[in-house]
Amino acid sequence: QQQVKQSPQSLIVQKGGISIINCAYENTAFDYFPWYQQFPGKGPALLIAIRPDVSEKKEGRFTISFNKSAKQFSLHIMDSQPGDSATYFCAASRAQTGANNLFFGTGTRLTVIP
Amino acid sequence: EPEVTQTPSHQVTQMGQEVILRCVPISNHLYFYWYRQILGQKVEFLVSFYNNEISEKSEIFDDQFSVERPDGSNFTLKIRSTKLEDSAMYFCASRAGTGGKPQHFGDGTRLSIL
Repeated sequence: QQQVKQSPQSLIVQKGGISIINCAYENTAFDYFPWYQQFPGKGPALLIAIRPDVSEKKEGRFTISFNKSAKQFSLHIMDSQPGDSATYFCAASRAQTGANNLFFGTGTRLTVIP
Repeated sequence: EPEVTQTPSHQVTQMGQEVILRCVPISNHLYFYWYRQILGQKVEFLVSFYNNEISEKSEIFDDQFSVERPDGSNFTLKIRSTKLEDSAMYFCASRAGTGGKPQHFGDGTRLSIL
């Protein structure tokens, strides 16, 4: 069962443009939704995360939008830069349980063209 | 900034052999995880570990796998009799506590089974 679905698989954006990556989840028990950025040869690095009690969270150029009723959340990267070129994974977990293991989406390879 | 360190960065092993992957989590963290990422695919949860015992494990984590925290700093994943399909990137992660505290990932060990 694929608990978190992510799209698109790949995305090409011009420098300065907006990158949008979408995720949908199935398990209503999920209450923690992080986004991870991964560069080749490196582990996933936490970018930004949101809890379902808010509909939006912004940190610098990165914004998460969250729609609890639709069970969807998305990452918006404003003013995209070539240095943002990486693979982005959304994830979900049940933060209030002890283990909090993450269920990852399938990833989006972002390429920002100068 | 403290980080999760993993050794070795690349391990090549003959099919059927035992392999041990090593991780040093961030020092004050309490929860420890192993994930794997088959080339080009999503990151998948294997096992979580807390208070010197397994908290949760996935279907992938069968009897061939085991984890151990042999001392106050190391966290290991052992695969007893490796199979070709065990070839993947294995990531260790650690987390400070409950309630949505982020998981911090190491840069992984690439395991190649011949």
